[in-house]
Amino acid sequence: GAVVSQHPSRVICKSGTSVKIECRSLDFQATTMFWYRQFPKQSLMLMATSNEGSKATYEQGVEKDKFLINHASLTLSTLTVTSAHPEDSSFYICSALGGYEQYFGPGTRLTVT
Amino acid sequence: RKEVEQDPGPFNVPEGATVAFNCTYSNSASQSFFWYRQDCRKEPKLLMSVYSSGNEDGRFTAQLNRASQYISLLIRDSKLSDSATYLCVVNRPTSGTYKYIFGTGTRLKVLA
Repeated sequence: GAVVSQHPSRVICKSGTSVKIECRSLDFQATTMFWYRQFPKQSLMLMATSNEGSKATYEQGVEKDKFLINHASLTLSTLTVTSAHPEDSSFYICSALGGYEQYFGPGTRLTVT
Repeated sequence: RKEVEQDPGPFNVPEGATVAFNCTYSNSASQSFFWYRQDCRKEPKLLMSVYSSGNEDGRFTAQLNRASQYISLLIRDSKLSDSATYLCVVNRPTSGTYKYIFGTGTRLKVLA
């Protein structure tokens, strides 16, 4: 099946620093990737839709200047959490669209101290 | 009212039981439907897409009822390893593109 990797799997950073998360589709090309955030015991929340070669589409309430998305190739999208704060601590998951089906990366657990 | 609704559960069932989950969606323009499973602190994994004619994969059967706007997932002969949260996902058009709407999930616990 389609494989999506995500790196790093876990990161701890200090408040005020920036963190970059990479999402790669390993065995297929994805013009569209999605970025989600999930807090403990809550459902996935879509943050933004990333389209290769164009600007990402952000969901309401998600600050585009804080969560920078770059989708420069058909196999890679990156999410940069800028000036991270403790409330940004969460599980960030990407997915890549293969046909109509989404394939998820293993997620990145971000802890901001 | 949420666009995609699921009973959060938990559904506690004994091993070997048959269990069914329903998911309702409110937007009649929805086009594609999926069931994912998510284990604790892991990413969702695609269980199956749901087709109008219904589809079966081993112990799992998915059905779509467009008239009543719901999809269902039936698990037969439940295993301990089936314990997870089952997410209903609906794909619908929006502003020239498509959007995937996730339900909040139904938690299943299969008991020995």
